[in-house]
Amino acid sequence: AQTVTQSQPEMSVQEAETVTLSCTYDTSESDYYLFWYKQPPSRQMILVIRQEAYKQQNATENRFSVNFQKAAKSFSLKISDSQLGDAAMYFCAYRSSTPKGGSEKLVFGKGTKLTVNP
Amino acid sequence: DAGVTQSPTHLIKTRGQQVTLRCSPKSGHDTVSWYQQALGQGPQFIFQYYEEEERQRGNFPDRFSGHQFPNYSSELNVNALLLGDSALYLCASSLWLSGTHIRGEQYFGPGTRLTVT
Repeated sequence: AQTVTQSQPEMSVQEAETVTLSCTYDTSESDYYLFWYKQPPSRQMILVIRQEAYKQQNATENRFSVNFQKAAKSFSLKISDSQLGDAAMYFCAYRSSTPKGGSEKLVFGKGTKLTVNP
Repeated sequence: DAGVTQSPTHLIKTRGQQVTLRCSPKSGHDTVSWYQQALGQGPQFIFQYYEEEERQRGNFPDRFSGHQFPNYSSELNVNALLLGDSALYLCASSLWLSGTHIRGEQYFGPGTRLTVT
């Protein structure tokens, strides 16, 4: 079974600075997807960025980028120019790419609470 | 474009009771997944519905059951509630991508906060 580990329960960053959230995962599959979701106090889970394992290029979405190290099974999220609205719980998630029984579910880590200080 | 909606927002039940939570998927989506998020934890997969059938199930007892209607909306039912069932229940919808063997991204609703006393 796949597992996702987020080793930083809490992180803080000054507004306008850069912060990196860590995520490691365990899988025996070669093809899969990785995601970062943001969950603000409103509770709605919002997709921040996704990465396909077969793509070597790291995904980027505006101020958000990832460092995907497939061999190390590491998937970190970098937030540049942090804004007050970035404060939230951030969850790393895994999903298999081939739908065969139990493969389409998202497997989440426990999350990292990000605080942005003004 | 209507996103995923869930009702009710909050619910308080007593141990042993039964509860039904409802989810309407994002417009155009045909698949609904349910997740349980305990306080301070990441969401845990309960089950997924497609074409009105349960397609996958996580490690949850039979007290958790569901249903999908022809309009793709879904219900989650929990019987014989336990204190440990207190959690945020998230619904996510997605679309089977025509011509592929995969589904697209899962879009989440705001959740239903269930408190069992």
